Amino acid sequence: GQQLNQSPQSMFIQEGEDVSMNCTSSSIFNTWLWYKQDPGEGPVLLIALYKAGELTSNGRLTAQFGITRKDSFLNISASIPSDVGIYFCAGANAGGTSYGKLTFGQGTILTVHP
Amino acid sequence: SAVISQKPSRDICQRGTSLTIQCQVDSQVTMMFWYRQQPGQSLTLIATANQGSEATYESGFVIDKFPISRPNLTFSTLTVSNMSPEDSSIYLCSVGGPGLAGHEQFFGPGTRLTVL
Repeated sequence: GQQLNQSPQSMFIQEGEDVSMNCTSSSIFNTWLWYKQDPGEGPVLLIALYKAGELTSNGRLTAQFGITRKDSFLNISASIPSDVGIYFCAGANAGGTSYGKLTFGQGTILTVHP
Repeated sequence: SAVISQKPSRDICQRGTSLTIQCQVDSQVTMMFWYRQQPGQSLTLIATANQGSEATYESGFVIDKFPISRPNLTFSTLTVSNMSPEDSSIYLCSVGGPGLAGHEQFFGPGTRLTVL
């Protein structure tokens, strides 16, 4: 089946620094999603991308859908302590038996030092 | 986005017993899903809960172990049967489909299960 490789696995940064993480896939996705999960909570949707090359921002977060449709990245600018958590990428395809199903990356654990 | 609640939020169970997890949504949704998140791991799709018909299970998951019900468009249950310590995980429901934008899925808070 489809697999997503997410990197880095973990990051330790100082408050105020920018963060970048990415996901690559061996196959094409029609949709890329980025989620954040806080301890003891379910994942929360941050950004959804629907078109190859699309660049979308949500506050200090920016994500891009790769031209090849096999990759995506997420940037966080000027990190703050509440950015701490696990960030997951997820890919989805339309149609057939794959409709609505998400494939998740392994996650990036972000730690922000004040 | 939809508001999703799960019950129980956590439980500690004995080996060999079963636990039923409930997922309630505040609006009608086309698609509901159940995921498992093992300790320190990512999310793995267990099954798609289909309203009025049998759930569609992913490879490695079977109905006898994880029976699912979906009696209407706002509610679903997942049962973890004949539990073993390996079933200790967070179980999450999510909702998505045509009623929500594209493939965006929204997750419940999860049920943290520990099996002794």
